[in-house]
Amino acid sequence: EDKVVQSPLSLVVHEGDTVTLNCSYEVTNFRSLLWYKQEKKAPTFLFMLTSSGIEKKSGRLSSILDKKELFSILNITATQTGDSAIYLCAVVSSNTGKLIFGQGTTLQVKP
Amino acid sequence: DAGVIQSPRHEVTEMGQEVTLRCKPISGHNSLFWYRQTMMRGLELLIYFNNNVPIDDSGMPEDRFSAKMPNASFSTLKIQPSEPRDSAVYFCASSPDSGEQFFGPGTRLTVL
Repeated sequence: EDKVVQSPLSLVVHEGDTVTLNCSYEVTNFRSLLWYKQEKKAPTFLFMLTSSGIEKKSGRLSSILDKKELFSILNITATQTGDSAIYLCAVVSSNTGKLIFGQGTTLQVKP
Repeated sequence: DAGVIQSPRHEVTEMGQEVTLRCKPISGHNSLFWYRQTMMRGLELLIYFNNNVPIDDSGMPEDRFSAKMPNASFSTLKIQPSEPRDSAVYFCASSPDSGEQFFGPGTRLTVL
């Protein structure tokens, strides 16, 4: 059965800290892995990863994929209160095109 | 680009009533997805369409749920009859061939 597991489920840090969110997966015919940020509305797209070892970066956020070990990490440096959100990891199977979501990591950044 | 458009944004109804949620995908996207999100179960895929054809509806919880996509720019998700346990936020998302999905703002459904 295809599945995506994120850890930790929740995290509380202070502004300026660096956080690493983890996502491991098992999926038939992997196509891509996506990271989303969800605040009090719809998930917004962060990154799509298809190749191992190539870091994607956007400002203070970065992500990398390891297709051999079947995981990805999302790093946030110098966290701000605006980073508080649920971070969702999802994997696309090339068989179905469906997104299989993890349960999410709830990040709270305190001032 | 207006993004994925959903309506209504909020819906409050009574148990037993029919509910219809609407979605307009991003122009040019060939896949459309309906999701439901609750605190208990997180984000669940209900059904998805590719080129207006339903591909996988295994996530549709019961026969009370049905979805249609009569053309490339419109889809509906209908619940008839609705029940309190259907209360959730329902998201529609669309995707080009690359697989990246763009979500609509969601419809918050409350069934009393």
